[in-house]
Amino acid sequence: KAGVTQTPRYLIKTRGQQVTLSCSPISGHRSVSWYQQTPGQGLQFLFEYFSETQRNKGNFPGRFSGRQFSNSRSEMNVSTLELGDSALYLCASSLVPSGGLNEQFFGPGTRLTVL
Amino acid sequence: GENVEQHPSTLSVQEGDSAVIKCTYSDSASNYFPWYKQELGKGPQLIIDIRSNVGEKKDQRIAVTLNKTAKHFSLHITETQPEDSAVYFCAGTSGGSYIPTFGRGTSLIVHP
Repeated sequence: KAGVTQTPRYLIKTRGQQVTLSCSPISGHRSVSWYQQTPGQGLQFLFEYFSETQRNKGNFPGRFSGRQFSNSRSEMNVSTLELGDSALYLCASSLVPSGGLNEQFFGPGTRLTVL
Repeated sequence: GENVEQHPSTLSVQEGDSAVIKCTYSDSASNYFPWYKQELGKGPQLIIDIRSNVGEKKDQRIAVTLNKTAKHFSLHITETQPEDSAVYFCAGTSGGSYIPTFGRGTSLIVHP
């Protein structure tokens, strides 16, 4: 069974631009969660989607948004990029909702660099 | 909200030794505690998890113990091997928020 895939793997943007990251969960998994990983703040939860609905949201500004499609694929968008948004963005899928309470499978991440 | 502290930040051991990583949490409502291993250039991989109704869980060379009273849980790796070298993260999830909070990570180095 294929694992979680994320595209693109690397991305370079400049301040003020916006970016869209994509995540394809493991086949059959309907929950997708997004995380930001930085050396300074560690791994932080962004949001979770299940059946195209946002179930939970972490403490991030409204510039961070996401959506989920009927095939469970998910995208996250960051608008008006800031230097501090440089991070590894990880997607994780799980079979059931509330991924934080159940086994999650992480993708390799998208490395975003904001210049 | 939940606060998870993880120690040590770096752990260096000789091959064959045991390694122990400890985490404490603040929210007594937390009831799910996974441990992840992250190798360079990869996403975290779940290696073992424990729920609050269990005190200990073991999977081959890896074990996790949970002390609900003291609000701490630990990862134990026995007979360490060089391929165990990675960053390990603990996490705690409150049943109320469903949002996982991660520790800051432990870089485990196993010297051959």
